[in-house]
Amino acid sequence: AQSVTQLGSHVSVSEGALVLLRCNYSSSVPPYLFWYVQYPNQGLQLLLKYTTGATLVKGINGFEAEFKKSETSFHLTKPSAHMSDAAEYFCAVSTDNQGGKLIFGQGTELSVKP
Amino acid sequence: EPEVTQTPSHQVTQMGQEVILRCVPISNHLYFYWYRQILGQKVEFLVSFYNNEISEKSEIFDDQFSVERPDGSNFTLKIRSTKLEDSAMYFCASSGQGSNYGYTFGSGTRLTVV
Repeated sequence: AQSVTQLGSHVSVSEGALVLLRCNYSSSVPPYLFWYVQYPNQGLQLLLKYTTGATLVKGINGFEAEFKKSETSFHLTKPSAHMSDAAEYFCAVSTDNQGGKLIFGQGTELSVKP
Repeated sequence: EPEVTQTPSHQVTQMGQEVILRCVPISNHLYFYWYRQILGQKVEFLVSFYNNEISEKSEIFDDQFSVERPDGSNFTLKIRSTKLEDSAMYFCASSGQGSNYGYTFGSGTRLTVV
């Protein structure tokens, strides 16, 4: 069965600093990987996804993530944090691109200090 | 950008009452899902639905829950005899396949059982 571990339930960075949110997955078959962002009292918005092809994936709002099979990781990065990036971030994995369920990590709350 | 629409955004119900949460998935998506997020916790899979039947369900999705696609556009989650612990945010999602693969979530229904 697949699972997702997000290291660090809370991450705090200064505005303009690098954002690094860690995600490791467990899967016996090639995974499909996703990052979602959730702003307070809102739904889940897709930031980016890896399905096949290039392992470095670029998403919205300047975020990107790199699929590293050898490390079973899919860490999310952004070179320069903005105050508006403060939110909850969820990493998720699926192993079936035809109706398979998404399994979510516990989430990481990102705070951005001025 | 196509959206998944959920109604109502908030629902307060008395313990023991039945509730129906409604969703309109993206029109060309074939797979539909319900997820639940208890306050402060991760997003949990409840059920997936394809070709007018349940394709997978979690342990959470017991006899108290049911899903239905009553017409060509709506997808509903019914909770019979609600309990206090059913209080959560419920998210509907839909996904395509192949080049259209990816999960789009609605903005959620916050259910409060009192």
